Amino acid sequence: SQKIEQNSEALNIQEGKTATLTCNYTNYSPAYLQWYRQDPGRGPVFLLLIRENEKEKRKERLKVTFDTTLKQSLFHITASQPADSATYLCALQINQAGTALIFGKGTTLSVSS
Amino acid sequence: GAVVSQHPSWVICKSGTSVKIECRSLDFQATTMFWYRQFPKQSLMLMATSNEGSKATYEQGVEKDKFLINHASLTLSTLTVTSAHPEDSSFYICSAGPTKGDTQYFGPGTRLTVL
Repeated sequence: SQKIEQNSEALNIQEGKTATLTCNYTNYSPAYLQWYRQDPGRGPVFLLLIRENEKEKRKERLKVTFDTTLKQSLFHITASQPADSATYLCALQINQAGTALIFGKGTTLSVSS
Repeated sequence: GAVVSQHPSWVICKSGTSVKIECRSLDFQATTMFWYRQFPKQSLMLMATSNEGSKATYEQGVEKDKFLINHASLTLSTLTVTSAHPEDSSFYICSAGPTKGDTQYFGPGTRLTVL
């Protein structure tokens, strides 16, 4: 069966450390993989998109890697801050641009000062 | 960046009534919009794909007669929950992307509570 798994439901780290979140999938061949941030009671906010032919993407303190052989994406937040505390969602986009996303359950990150 | 709005942000209704939720793309046109539903501590689940000028495509298990979708223009899609029941209480979120873009932008969501 097709599955998307984010390895931890919750992740607690100290301020200043690097948070690493994992997204694994089975029986999909995504064209794109996206990461979103969701705060309680709010819609997801787009963070980064990585294509199947890309290995790594960076944006400020964020870094995403994509290994289509392992069927895994890693999402890193460096120099984490309490304001980074939120739920982070991994989403697959199977076909061309403009198609629906398939979401993982998310990992709730808590950064303590 | 692209902005998607939803209205209302929350609604409480009595069982058996109908509720309409609007999703608008404010600064771009979207031929396709998507409706998702999210239960507490669960993933976003796609309900339907809304296509401008044509019928919506519903995911398996979603009743098209209960969740009516209308995409009358390139900037507006509406979801009407008909004859709402308490089990329809959920967080409804729409998304859209510029026609030639990769990224989906999400609305802020609508919290529906059916008493």
